[in-house]
Amino acid sequence: NAGVTQTPKFQVLKTGQSMTLQCAQDMNHEYMSWYRQDPGMGLRLIHYSVGAGITDQGEVPNGYNVSRSTTEDFPLRLLSAAPSQTSVYFCASSYGRRGDSPLHFGNGTRLTVT
Amino acid sequence: AQTVTQSQPEMSVQEAETVTLSCTYDTSENNYYLFWYKQPPSRQMILVIRQEAYKQQNATENRFSVNFQKAAKSFSLKISDSQLGDTAMYFCASMNRDDKIIFGKGTRLHILP
Repeated sequence: NAGVTQTPKFQVLKTGQSMTLQCAQDMNHEYMSWYRQDPGMGLRLIHYSVGAGITDQGEVPNGYNVSRSTTEDFPLRLLSAAPSQTSVYFCASSYGRRGDSPLHFGNGTRLTVT
Repeated sequence: AQTVTQSQPEMSVQEAETVTLSCTYDTSENNYYLFWYKQPPSRQMILVIRQEAYKQQNATENRFSVNFQKAAKSFSLKISDSQLGDTAMYFCASMNRDDKIIFGKGTRLHILP
């Protein structure tokens, strides 16, 4: 099994550009989420989804959009990139609704906005 | 609001010693889940241990154990016989009924030879 696959691994954007970070999982997980990791800030939840067609905001949703049209995919869209969005982004999934189901993380995307 | 606080940004211990990482959390719910994740330099996030709030018995996984104090909202991680491979960032996290998993800011742990 591939687990959680994030693409790309690295990306450099200019201020104002848009892009989509891709996330796919092949474990039939209901729950998917996006985090950003910044030095000294830990992992902060951006958006999450408890199933296809359902999304909700996390701690730091501004500047990001998500959609969940299928169980497998949960893309994260940056509409107009800003330097403050320079970060490492992690996608994670789990069976959800069950605390004994741990989060499976992707390998992360390092995004730099200049 | 759901919050997780790790008060130790960085710690160092000698190999084979025991180390305890602190975590406190805040939640208005009675049933929830708590986790410790490890992030080595490879950047991969690895689940270390988990605890269900309604279970009074502290969770253990080999050299890793927790001290769960529900009334104090404290969830510390103890690593016994520490090894060089335990060097990593450690994150405490909580999950409420709304399925949101919130992480603390992390503790960077150095195991010294």
